[in-house]
Amino acid sequence: QKEVEQNSGPLSVPEGAIASLNCTYSDRVSQSFFWYRQYSGKSPELIMSIYSNGDKEDGRFTAQLNKASQYVSLLIRDSQPSDSATYLCAVRPAGNMLTFGGGTRLMVKP
Amino acid sequence: DAEITQSPRHKITETGRQVTLACHQTWNHNNMFWYRQDLGHGLRLIHYSYGVHDTNKGEVSDGYSVSRSNTEDLPLTLESAASSQTSVYFCASSEELAVGDTQYFGPGTRLTVL
Repeated sequence: QKEVEQNSGPLSVPEGAIASLNCTYSDRVSQSFFWYRQYSGKSPELIMSIYSNGDKEDGRFTAQLNKASQYVSLLIRDSQPSDSATYLCAVRPAGNMLTFGGGTRLMVKP
Repeated sequence: DAEITQSPRHKITETGRQVTLACHQTWNHNNMFWYRQDLGHGLRLIHYSYGVHDTNKGEVSDGYSVSRSNTEDLPLTLESAASSQTSVYFCASSEELAVGDTQYFGPGTRLTVL
């Protein structure tokens, strides 16, 4: 069983809409949660990290963490075509190694 | 500026050949990692190192080896390349293994084994 699950998509949203990306994880002792963005043919780049339950906002991005339900989500407000990419959820459980989900492909249509 | 580089960026080799992929970082990070990325599997950890002369196996280490002789470099060697090792390989580094530690990725190497 994969430890970090994401819907592979593609998730298609119109420009200006809110894109909602979800991730569930299996290890209850996970402490750190990350969202990476990966453009086609490029390397992953960190866009958000979250460690405590609740919301964390950074510009158009909001990460949400619910440890009791074991899910973390990423909201992108006012989605732009330049947000079209694959979004990788990463979780650090006990043992300190990052575990990545398979990624969700987001398409923002003009 | 500090950075992490990988070479070569593209490599085509034949089954059975030994291949070495280079990773070099100038952040002076203690921790370095090698991942492979395949469709449907996301990023999977191959090997990692916490410092000079330290190496550890990750989730998919069979057929791969690493060595860490200095802080800056962690080369990945495929002892006898197999077609199943055709993939995109990413090197990453991080400063420490604290809760908030962030991994930074190199540009990747696309390896094709024929």
